[in-house]
Amino acid sequence: EADIYQTPRYLVIGTGKKITLECSQTMGHDKMYWYQQDPGMELHLIHYSYGVNSTEKGDLSSESTVSRIRTEHFPLTLESARPSHTSQYLCASSDSWGNQPQHFGDGTRLSIL
Amino acid sequence: GDSVTQMEGPVTLSEEAFLTINCTYTATGYPSLFWYVQYPGEGLQLLLKATKADDKGSNKGFEATYRKETTSFHLEKGSVQVSDSAVYFCAESGSGGSNYKLTFGKGTLLTVNP
Repeated sequence: EADIYQTPRYLVIGTGKKITLECSQTMGHDKMYWYQQDPGMELHLIHYSYGVNSTEKGDLSSESTVSRIRTEHFPLTLESARPSHTSQYLCASSDSWGNQPQHFGDGTRLSIL
Repeated sequence: GDSVTQMEGPVTLSEEAFLTINCTYTATGYPSLFWYVQYPGEGLQLLLKATKADDKGSNKGFEATYRKETTSFHLEKGSVQVSDSAVYFCAESGSGGSNYKLTFGKGTLLTVNP
């Protein structure tokens, strides 16, 4: 079983609030990823990290930011939440390039009122 | 860039029916190929994978064969169960400098009725 944890699982919050979605993994993986999953199920990569102090933007532009200060921790922050940020956010990690699969957390379902 | 095209759903089957979900990819070279499953309210779980041409990945009665000649990785199961109801995603890793990430298909919702 993959050991990657996301908190909170569900969050309903008002517009303008600052939000941090937590993601932690205990597998020592170098690579970590954040995906946004829309109601139509499609996954969009919004951020990824090669390792500590390395972060890159993904394929879908996002107003969120990420940090990678520790190998096991990859939080995502929204400085001022808006209704358009309502979505499911999935965190994943992987051990190396190519052949190794990504392991996913159970996701955070975010609703901005 | 790379893309993955999988059969659009939703797919509705009766229990014990045969399942095929088609998947094709565009990456050149020899990407690794994956099928993931997402049960309601959960994240994605790796179902099976194949890393080179003609490899067959299998798990829980599901199978998929890496076909380089047709750039395909179709998912099959001989007899589905109600518990197989989920969303299935095909993905490829890319074969060049971009294989830090996975390219996913749009997902296929499978519903199995008793």
